[in-house]
Amino acid sequence: NAGVTQTPKFQVLKTGQSMTLQCAQDMNHEYMSWYRQDPGMGLRLIHYSVGAGITDQGEVPNGYNVSRSTTEDFPLRLLSAAPSQTSVYFCASSYGDRPGSEQYFGPGTRLTVT
Amino acid sequence: AQRVTQPEKLLSVFKGAPVELKCNYSYSGSPELFWYVQYSRQRLQLLLRHISRESIKGFTADLNKGETSFHLKKPFAQEEDSAMYYCALSDSNAGGTSYGKLTFGQGTILTVHP
Repeated sequence: NAGVTQTPKFQVLKTGQSMTLQCAQDMNHEYMSWYRQDPGMGLRLIHYSVGAGITDQGEVPNGYNVSRSTTEDFPLRLLSAAPSQTSVYFCASSYGDRPGSEQYFGPGTRLTVT
Repeated sequence: AQRVTQPEKLLSVFKGAPVELKCNYSYSGSPELFWYVQYSRQRLQLLLRHISRESIKGFTADLNKGETSFHLKKPFAQEEDSAMYYCALSDSNAGGTSYGKLTFGQGTILTVHP
């Protein structure tokens, strides 16, 4: 099993550009989520999904869109990149429907917006 | 709203010394708490969860509901324990598929000196 995979590993964007961060998992997890990691702020939840066709907002959703057409994939779209979106982005998956569910994280995407 | 606080951004100890990473939380319900660790150049991974009452790599953490704390402890630190540690709380109040939503603390960078 590859676990949770993310592409790209690094990305530099100019303000106003759009892009999609890819996330895939092969563990048949229903629950998937996107976090951003910023110094001194820990990880903050952007969007999450409890299954194909179902998504919801997390703590910091503005400027990001998601969709979940399959169980395996959960892409994150930046509509119009801003310098405030410079961060490391982590995708995670889990069973999510039982106490103590372990989150499995991807390797992260380091995004810089100039 | 739920919140997780890790008061120490940096913590340095010498090899063989005891270490305690502090975590306090606020949550209106029965909390589910976790410690996640990120070693250098590795992805974020689960260290332990309170529901299992387990000891992993010599680390333990006890949930103290009176003090709303979940401190991580190890009696004798090792150099390989140097990493970023995150305390996290799962939003389990709503049940169902909500167990996957995590609120993270700000993180503590632990450095164990030889």
